[in-house]
Amino acid sequence: DAGITQSPRHKVTETGTPVTLRCHQTENHRYMYWYRQDPGHGLRLIHYSYGVKDTDKGEVSDGYSVSRSKTEDFLLTLESATSSQTSVYFCAITASGAWNEQFFGPGTRLTVL
Amino acid sequence: AQSVAQPEDQVNVAEGNPLTVKCTYSVSGNPYLFWYVQYPNRGLQFLLKYITGDNLVKGSYGFEAEFNKSQTSFHLKKPSALVSDSALYFCAVPPRGGNNDMRFGAGTRLTVKP
Repeated sequence: DAGITQSPRHKVTETGTPVTLRCHQTENHRYMYWYRQDPGHGLRLIHYSYGVKDTDKGEVSDGYSVSRSKTEDFLLTLESATSSQTSVYFCAITASGAWNEQFFGPGTRLTVL
Repeated sequence: AQSVAQPEDQVNVAEGNPLTVKCTYSVSGNPYLFWYVQYPNRGLQFLLKYITGDNLVKGSYGFEAEFNKSQTSFHLKKPSALVSDSALYFCAVPPRGGNNDMRFGAGTRLTVKP
């Protein structure tokens, strides 16, 4: 696997609590992404980053925020978790260019009760 | 908008038989098309990609994909399936004007039976 780690790998939380997921890469890639995976939907982009402090929304960004203070770290925050945010979250990285493949982390399984 | 569709949720094949996982695309301009595989409890792994050139693309683990412009398809194939090929397969396309992210199909679960 490419040098991508995600933490925590599993988390159970309650509705209304804040949650932060971390993605860490050692590849020095510029682009980082957060996706969520739900049955029947494939992967959907939540937010992405194209550089330190440069982030933007994806197609399912409501209820999520991100931060990237260092090249290697990309944080995803659920300000007030809801049951609809129960999902598996994947971080991905890529070098620049739409023709480059993405490399994925191992995922974080989040359950919101 | 760039998009891909995987018409089959599930594909079952016997070990040793050829396999095909289907993908159709809707893109403007020249497409970049990708296949990824996801094994249980793992992240997605890149299998192969079509950028330009030969319509038959060879990838990892003996997989190949055929780009067909007239049928707007990019089907994943393997001549002889292995039980270890059982996994979830995703077709993907980068959106035009996007930031190098991917738009994924819903996925096809491949089961290879001994």
